[in-house]
Amino acid sequence: QVQLQESGPGLVKPSQTLSLTCTVSGASISSGGYYWSWIRQHPGKGLELIGYIYYTGSTYYSPSLKSRLTISVDTSQNQFSLKLNSVTAADTAVYYCARDGAYSGNYYFDYWGQGTLVTVSS
Amino acid sequence: QSALTQPASVSGSPGQSITISCTGSLSDVGGYKYVSWYQQHPGNAPKLIIYDVSNRPSGASHRFSGSKSGNTASLTISGLQAEDEADYFCISYTSTSIHLLFGGGTKLTVL
Repeated sequence: QVQLQESGPGLVKPSQTLSLTCTVSGASISSGGYYWSWIRQHPGKGLELIGYIYYTGSTYYSPSLKSRLTISVDTSQNQFSLKLNSVTAADTAVYYCARDGAYSGNYYFDYWGQGTLVTVSS
Repeated sequence: QSALTQPASVSGSPGQSITISCTGSLSDVGGYKYVSWYQQHPGNAPKLIIYDVSNRPSGASHRFSGSKSGNTASLTISGLQAEDEADYFCISYTSTSIHLLFGGGTKLTVL
C-alpha cells in the first residue's frame, strides 16, 4: 500500500520560509512513472496545484508561486520537499502531497497524504 | 476562480440520486477522456472515486458513476446515504504544461 506523509512546522512567521517534506512508503520515487505533487487548500476553499517533480529533478511550478517556490527530491530517502519563501498570511492553508500518474498516461492523483495545516502568523 | 466550474452546493435526500457537474472547455474536459473525481470529508484528504471519466478504482462504491457530454463531465451518486455528505472535486487533463486542472469543489448535503 502506497502511503505519503507530510511533515514540517505548523506555524511559520511572515516573510520566513515554509518548508515541508513528504515521505513516501510502499513505492519508490526513483522507479519513475509518476509525478510527485504539492497541492494546497486554503480554509474553506478548493484545491490549488503548487507544483510537481519527477524523480530526475524535472519540475513544474505554478506561475503564481514560481518566484518563491522550490521543489526538490531526495531519492535516497524516498522523499520530496517544498520550500516557499517570503510567506504571508495568504499562504495559510492545508498542504497535501500526492502522487500523479500523468507521466504514464494516468491523469489523476491516486494517493494523497493526510495533509498538514500551515499557519502563517507572527 | 477555478479553471473548471462546479456548482458550489447540491443536496438530496437519502435514497435519491444527485448529479454534480464539472464544466471546462475543449482544451480539457471536452477534448480528452481524463476526468477524475474525488470525495473529501471534513478534515480528511481527498479520495479518488472516479478516473478516466467513468472508471471506479478498487474500493470505490458502485453508487458512484461518471459520464461526460461535450465540455461537461458529471458525477452521479445514486441511493444517497448520510456518509456521502462531503465535498466533491473534479480534475481534468489539459494540454498545457500544468497538465491537470482543478474544479472549485461542490458541497453535497444529505438532507
